[in-house]
Amino acid sequence: DQQVKQNSPSLSVQEGRISILNCDYTNSMFDYFLWYKKYPAEGPTFLISISSIKDKNEDGRFTVFLNKSAKHLSLHIVPSQPGDSAVYFCAASDRDDKIIFGKGTRLHILP
Amino acid sequence: DTGVSQNPRHKITKRGQNVTFRCDPISEHNRLYWYRQTLGQGPEFLTYFQNEAQLEKSRLLSDRFSAERPKGSFSTLEIQRTEQGDSAMYLCASSLQYFGPGTRLTVL
Repeated sequence: DQQVKQNSPSLSVQEGRISILNCDYTNSMFDYFLWYKKYPAEGPTFLISISSIKDKNEDGRFTVFLNKSAKHLSLHIVPSQPGDSAVYFCAASDRDDKIIFGKGTRLHILP
Repeated sequence: DTGVSQNPRHKITKRGQNVTFRCDPISEHNRLYWYRQTLGQGPEFLTYFQNEAQLEKSRLLSDRFSAERPKGSFSTLEIQRTEQGDSAMYLCASSLQYFGPGTRLTVL
């Protein structure tokens, strides 16, 4: 049973517009959430994280929103740039400190 | 380079052979994680270490898999009697924020 779900396998967004990537989770014990970006033949690169005591965290063009009651988080990228084209993974951690990944969403930034 | 390194980057082997991968984490990090990623999936947790102690192993880690971190520095992941289903990218992470480039294993 998937504890972290990314229901959109792919997403296409025009350059300069906002990209919104969504993630749902089922385990209410998760208290720390992370987003990673991955290019082919490379390991995941950490982007941004959020603790369950917050509902928003911002870092430059990247903002993560957390809705605990809905068990939902989203990553907003604005403005989207060509270099943002990659696979994005949502991940969650409980007090065990290991992380559980979603299946990823492939983001295409269109010129 | 002070990041996480993994060797080899690619490994092609025949079914039934043993393979060993190495991970060198960031030196001051106590935690070291191993993950496996197959096509179309996110990385799946295999095991992790706090210094030299192996704290947790996933059910994915069958008896053919063994991981060590003998001096709390580098780690090795060995797969014995490889099967075609072992073909995947094996990722090492030094803390949760720093992943290595991975070792891609192909079992023929």
